[in-house]
Amino acid sequence: DTEVTQTPKHLVMGMTNKKSLKCEQHMGHRAMYWYKQKAKKPPELMFVYSYEKLSINESVPSRFSPECPNSSLLNLHLHALQPEDSALYLCASSQTVRNLQYFGPGTRLTVT
Amino acid sequence: SQQGEEDPQALSIQEGENATMNCSYKTSINNLQWYRQNSGRGLVHLILIRSNEREKHSGRLRVTLDTSKKSSSLLITASRAADTASYFCATDANSGAGSYQLTFGKGTKLSVIP
Repeated sequence: DTEVTQTPKHLVMGMTNKKSLKCEQHMGHRAMYWYKQKAKKPPELMFVYSYEKLSINESVPSRFSPECPNSSLLNLHLHALQPEDSALYLCASSQTVRNLQYFGPGTRLTVT
Repeated sequence: SQQGEEDPQALSIQEGENATMNCSYKTSINNLQWYRQNSGRGLVHLILIRSNEREKHSGRLRVTLDTSKKSSSLLITASRAADTASYFCATDANSGAGSYQLTFGKGTKLSVIP
């Protein structure tokens, strides 16, 4: 299994909603990542988990809250988002940091 | 500073031709990675080249790295319509003990015309 899965594929939420994005991999990878990608822009790194510990937080607003319940799962909890947070949210994993990353298909998020 | 700038921003070629994309960066790196992305979808990793390597091949792909010039190139030979996608370089830069930074360039949009 060389796949990273993400759910949901699409999400529309209001600015007062609370929602979560989910990511899963069963490749035994010990590094997992969240990226944000706006249209026609490159992905921007948000969070990195290495061995289930948050190792970097790229000054992401607190309305985004990551969680790594175990080595296979990564969540991104969303609360009080703004319309400018609308983007494609990509999850990725790699054997460890500094290795090639396997990306999921992304969740297309629209904040209304 | 912007790490990983691709050149050109867009490239249109005929099927069967070779496509070359370049990437420049500013700081020292541990490795440089190339990814492709079909429109609105997830990225697919292509090749990782480490800072002590100069060239790597994978099928129709050839990546070179020149650390003295802080640049890399991706060559796709005998292009196919299915190669149409955006191609990104990403640099794994030295950013301090215990930290990790992978920065993507702006990408090259490749169109292969059948």
